[in-house]
Amino acid sequence: EPEVTQTPSHQVTQMGQEVILRCVPISNHLYFYWYRQILGQKVEFLVSFYNNEISEKSEIFDDQFSVERPDGSNFTLKIRSTKLEDSAMYFCASSESLAPYEQYFGPGTRLTVT
Amino acid sequence: ILNVEQSPQSLHVQEGDSTNFTCSFPSSNFYALHWYRWETAKSPEALFVMTLNGDEKKKGRISATLNTKEGYSYLYIKGSQPEDSATYLCAFYSSNTGKLIFGQGTTLQVKP
Repeated sequence: EPEVTQTPSHQVTQMGQEVILRCVPISNHLYFYWYRQILGQKVEFLVSFYNNEISEKSEIFDDQFSVERPDGSNFTLKIRSTKLEDSAMYFCASSESLAPYEQYFGPGTRLTVT
Repeated sequence: ILNVEQSPQSLHVQEGDSTNFTCSFPSSNFYALHWYRWETAKSPEALFVMTLNGDEKKKGRISATLNTKEGYSYLYIKGSQPEDSATYLCAFYSSNTGKLIFGQGTTLQVKP
């Protein structure tokens, strides 16, 4: 069964460094998403992406964040200058279309900022 | 601010028990309600996507109901098994935000 993959599974970085989190969505899906979950808190929407453009973003998704689909398969989340509070589990998801279509999630990347 | 609440936060049951939990969401601008099952160290997996008031969906021993007028959904597990142990997340999709808003999840532990 097709699945969403994410790399790396765990990333440790120092405050102020740039990180790129990578995702390979399911191949025939058209909508892509990033979510994060800070330990002990709810899963939070960051951004959705369709047709090579951001379609929605949350107030969390400020100028420090960017997304890209550099080729036909990868979908990346870049954090330019990481802060301690960026430490979280980051999930990528993809779907054939918008809700009510289900979203398929990757296993997450745990980002630790020291 | 759109808020989605789930209760209880955690639940411990014996194998064979039936159980249910609740997801409360805003009753206005409803578009869809998603249920996900999330096992530790795995990807959240979609169980149901519900769109119509009165919808009932079933997958094996798991079923869900939806009341959009009062803003709640119930998830039922009949005859719980240890492999049902997971966190169950609901997420609300409103017609005017274009994003999924998650509840905090209900963590179910089923003891053999």
